[in-house]
Amino acid sequence: GAGVSQSPRYKVAKRGQDVALRCDPISGHVSLFWYQQALGQGPEFLTYFQNEAQLDKSGLPSDRFFAERPEGSVSTLKIQRTQQEDSAVYLCASSLRREGSYEQYFGPGTRLTVT
Amino acid sequence: GNSVTQMEGPVTLSEEAFLTINCTYTATGYPSLFWYVQYPGEGLQLLLKATKADDKGSNKGFEATYRKETTSFHLEKGSVQVSDSAVYFCALSRLQKLVFGQGTRLTINP
Repeated sequence: GAGVSQSPRYKVAKRGQDVALRCDPISGHVSLFWYQQALGQGPEFLTYFQNEAQLDKSGLPSDRFFAERPEGSVSTLKIQRTQQEDSAVYLCASSLRREGSYEQYFGPGTRLTVT
Repeated sequence: GNSVTQMEGPVTLSEEAFLTINCTYTATGYPSLFWYVQYPGEGLQLLLKATKADDKGSNKGFEATYRKETTSFHLEKGSVQVSDSAVYFCALSRLQKLVFGQGTRLTINP
């Protein structure tokens, strides 16, 4: 079946521009996560949705970052007034609760470069 | 807080060598533990997992055992192949979200 898809795969933005990154989770997956992966580092948690409810946004680095999942399926991560330190790969993952262990399936990521 | 520390890379081995990548964790409660792999040009894939102490996860010849007494989840493989070249991430899951280590780049030479 189809996996998690993300678009665009690559995005170049000038400093100060707004960007929107899209994630299509696996059909039927209840939970959706966003992570940020800087070059040479492990992914870091940004935010988490269960259906349309944003249950944890403790990892969002500033109020310039905003995520939504209005119908409990597709999600968008928006970054306003981008800065150079926002350059990273943004990963989306979805999961279907199974036996209490929350196995997450990752998309290919969106590589954001801020110039 | 919750954190994962991985053996620093890069690691370079010859084909058929024995592999160990060390991973230790700090966590409140009893997390689930995972190894993810990122092949060149591809996304993160789950390699194996363990959900409670003494569980052994295994897949594609890789194994890792959840050791609560040493808070470790070391990844091992008896005989590596060139196709195992990738970046490996150890991770724990608490309250749904994953906490990752910094990753270990593995290169296998023929």
